[in-house]
Amino acid sequence: AQSVTQLDSQVPVFEEAPVELRCNYSSSVSVYLFWYVQYPNQGLQLLLKYLSGSTLVKGINGFEAEFNKSQTSFHLRKPSVHISDTAEYFCAVSDPGGAEGRRALTFGSGTRLQVQP
Amino acid sequence: GAVVSQHPSWVICKSGTSVKIECRSLDFQATTMFWYRQFPKQSLMLMATSNEGSKATYEQGVEKDKFLINHASLTLSTLTVTSAHPEDSSFYICSATGQQGWVTEAFFGQGTRLTVV
Repeated sequence: AQSVTQLDSQVPVFEEAPVELRCNYSSSVSVYLFWYVQYPNQGLQLLLKYLSGSTLVKGINGFEAEFNKSQTSFHLRKPSVHISDTAEYFCAVSDPGGAEGRRALTFGSGTRLQVQP
Repeated sequence: GAVVSQHPSWVICKSGTSVKIECRSLDFQATTMFWYRQFPKQSLMLMATSNEGSKATYEQGVEKDKFLINHASLTLSTLTVTSAHPEDSSFYICSATGQQGWVTEAFFGQGTRLTVV
């Protein structure tokens, strides 16, 4: 079974400051890792994903994440946040199962990023 | 990326009635669809997985007679909440994936906010 832990339920940060949202996972097999953003009353938008290859993954809106297998982490970072980045962020894992990212996801509890002016 | 449309975006119904939520893939054939449920300020929990033309596979603790899932075509899956009660009020989100080479992940719909009064 897989699980995802997002250590911070809320992260307040000032505009233009850097931010890191933490994500740790546990799994007995190799996994695919994802970060999604959710705006109020909306679905999920994929920010980035790690399937294989380079451990540093760059996504949309200036976000990036680094896969660290030894620490079983996949922390999300952005060097300078904007007010518009205020949203809920979810880390997720899936069992590869030979089908890339086409399987159901196990989500973390989410981190509320609050960007203040 | 691919487009998944979910309808309605919100619905209010009386206790004891049934509600149907549609999830459509607009530009790809969705061989697999996933239905998630999200309680306020919580993460997404997988309810069931449906493969086109087959019966849905429900997660432990999800009542299959209450949450009826139909995936009769490659572009449409429906979730029917039967005899809805206030405790069924939640945010329901679908995601869809397919076998085409460019579909390398599951794409999410916009979600449906269900309120049972």
